[in-house]
Amino acid sequence: QLQLQESGPGLLKPSETLSLTCTVSGYSVINSYYWAWLRQPPGKGLEWIGSIYYTGNTYYNPSLMSRVTMSIDTSKGQSSLKLNSVTAADTAVYFCARALNSKVGEVVTYYFDYWGRGTLVTVSS
Amino acid sequence: QSVLTQPPSVSAAPGQKVTISCSGSRSNIGSNSVSWYQQLPGTAPKLLIYDNNRRPSGIPDRFSGSKSGTSATLAITGLQTGDEADYYCGTWDTSLSALFGGGTKLTVL
Repeated sequence: QLQLQESGPGLLKPSETLSLTCTVSGYSVINSYYWAWLRQPPGKGLEWIGSIYYTGNTYYNPSLMSRVTMSIDTSKGQSSLKLNSVTAADTAVYFCARALNSKVGEVVTYYFDYWGRGTLVTVSS
Repeated sequence: QSVLTQPPSVSAAPGQKVTISCSGSRSNIGSNSVSWYQQLPGTAPKLLIYDNNRRPSGIPDRFSGSKSGTSATLAITGLQTGDEADYYCGTWDTSLSALFGGGTKLTVL
């Protein structure tokens, strides 16, 4: 059974860099899937941050692209997220998930089938 | 404000049917497939529907999805108290972004 587990600091100060790791177990990251990061501010909806393929190919949310870097370590079964220059608006539960992506003709199917439990990151001075 | 529009809340009695709408545009729902997620309080989202109307293994057939033009709908029949949750639609946009609706809170009266 595929399991994902987020880890990283839960409290940051404004202007610091958020760094999170997603450890995948029960499945090799070396496969035809993207691995995604998403977040959910307290009491609000879901926001996609970006996705990375095992080859290192990435897609980022345009609204966060200037501050986001994702990486993948296939030998460790881990993907990582870095978000720099954080503010209070970046306070959220951060989830990692497996993203399934296919294209038939011009129609893209893109969804997230396995999710980690999420980790709360608070940005406060 | 989300690009995909969902009603903030819906409610129905146990055993009844409820539908949740998700409205987008030609660049997202109009061009690509829709997925739906259920988020129980304090938990991670769970995939309910993918590719507009397909259910992952283990999802009961009380949950169904449909899409027409730039809108999609999630239907839940035989409502149970355990269905109380937030529901999100999701899709891909031609701007190369994954999008979500703002979420709909389902109350089973």
